Amino acid sequence: DGGITQSPKYLFRKEGQNVTLSCEQNLNHDAMYWYRQDPGQGLRLIYYSQIVNDFQKGDIAEGYSVSREKKESFPLTVTSAQKNPTAFYLCASRAEIVMGYTFGSGTRLTVV
Amino acid sequence: ELKVEQNPLFLSMQEGKNYTIYCNYSTTSDRLYWYRQDPGKSLESLFVLLSNGAVKQEGRLMASLDTKARLSTLHITAAVHDLSATYFCAVDAEGSARQLTFGSGTQLTVLP
Repeated sequence: DGGITQSPKYLFRKEGQNVTLSCEQNLNHDAMYWYRQDPGQGLRLIYYSQIVNDFQKGDIAEGYSVSREKKESFPLTVTSAQKNPTAFYLCASRAEIVMGYTFGSGTRLTVV
Repeated sequence: ELKVEQNPLFLSMQEGKNYTIYCNYSTTSDRLYWYRQDPGKSLESLFVLLSNGAVKQEGRLMASLDTKARLSTLHITAAVHDLSATYFCAVDAEGSARQLTFGSGTQLTVLP
């Protein structure tokens, strides 16, 4: 079945550590997105990519980095510069022709 | 900057009652989405509204879009407990770089 796979489901980060969240899709979608959700709040855009080897900052990109070396993959690195990374992270993709977005199951990141 | 406002943010209602959630947005858009989120879970797509006057219905939920008023509504008919969840609207701004901007969400609790 086609879809988006996010891993891991739960992730614990120590202070000062970089961690990478994985997002893989087999939908052949061109555009991919990373969103952050804090408890009781909506989703905010971190980074997005419309095409391989190109990506743009969203509203809250500081402390995060991404790469898009393959169409299927859009990993997100949470760097030590992100002072409050505890949140639920959702990856999404969108095809150019088909309306609508597909979301992954999410990664819950906790700082310990 | 596109802003999306939902109200109410919290909604408790009795089973069998009707209610409407409102979603206002600040700039021109031709695509509006409604999602459902259960606690700790990802987003489930409910409706995609693509044109002025669009109305879609699924079970006890009906969504509509008025692009001139920049307003979408999600109407709940004869609520049941299974509808308890958080509902988000999201707007896909016009332009070449499609990305979703989310409202803050409406946390719906249906009481027996």
